[in-house]
Amino acid sequence: AQTVTQSQPEMSVQEAETVTLSCTYDTSESDYYLFWYKQPPSRQMILVIRQEAYKQQNATENRFSVNFQKAAKSFSLKISDSQLGDAAMYFCAYRTHQGGSEKLVFGKGTKLTVNP
Amino acid sequence: NAGVTQTPKFQVLKTGQSMTLQCAQDMNHNSMYWYRQDPGMGLRLIYYSASEGTTDKGEVPNGYNVSRLNKREFSLRLESAAPSQTSVYFCASSENRQVITYEQYFGPGTRLTVT
Repeated sequence: AQTVTQSQPEMSVQEAETVTLSCTYDTSESDYYLFWYKQPPSRQMILVIRQEAYKQQNATENRFSVNFQKAAKSFSLKISDSQLGDAAMYFCAYRTHQGGSEKLVFGKGTKLTVNP
Repeated sequence: NAGVTQTPKFQVLKTGQSMTLQCAQDMNHNSMYWYRQDPGMGLRLIYYSASEGTTDKGEVPNGYNVSRLNKREFSLRLESAAPSQTSVYFCASSENRQVITYEQYFGPGTRLTVT
């Protein structure tokens, strides 16, 4: 079974600085997808960025980018120019395709605090 | 489009009571999911439905039942609530095509407390 590990329960960053959140995963599959979701205090789960395992190029969405190391099974999220609105729980998720449906396996999350 | 909606937003139950959490999506998605979120545990899959008429167990199905009423609606039932089921429950939906991946869209969650 796939597992996702986020080793940093909490992180903090100064406004306008850069922070990197770590995620590692365990799988025997060769083709899969990885996601970072953001959960602000409102509880709404918001997709931040996705990465297809077959793509060598790291995904980027504005101030958010990933460092995808397939051999190391590592998928870190870099947030540049951090803003107060980035404060949230961040969840790394692995998409497995089993039983005819995509299922997500989540890490336990990293709480990000942004200091003004 | 409302996306994924869940009712109720909050609920308090006594041990042994039953209730049904409702979920609906208006995006014509085939797949629907129920997760629970506990402090320090991330989201864990309870049940999912790959298409109308099918349901399957996820990681933590004990104590729950589900019904995929039609393509839009997927309900989660607690027959005899226990304090261990105190949690925040999320419904989600997605497409399930094998070639193209689609993200899962989440509802706003239901905070359930069992006393």
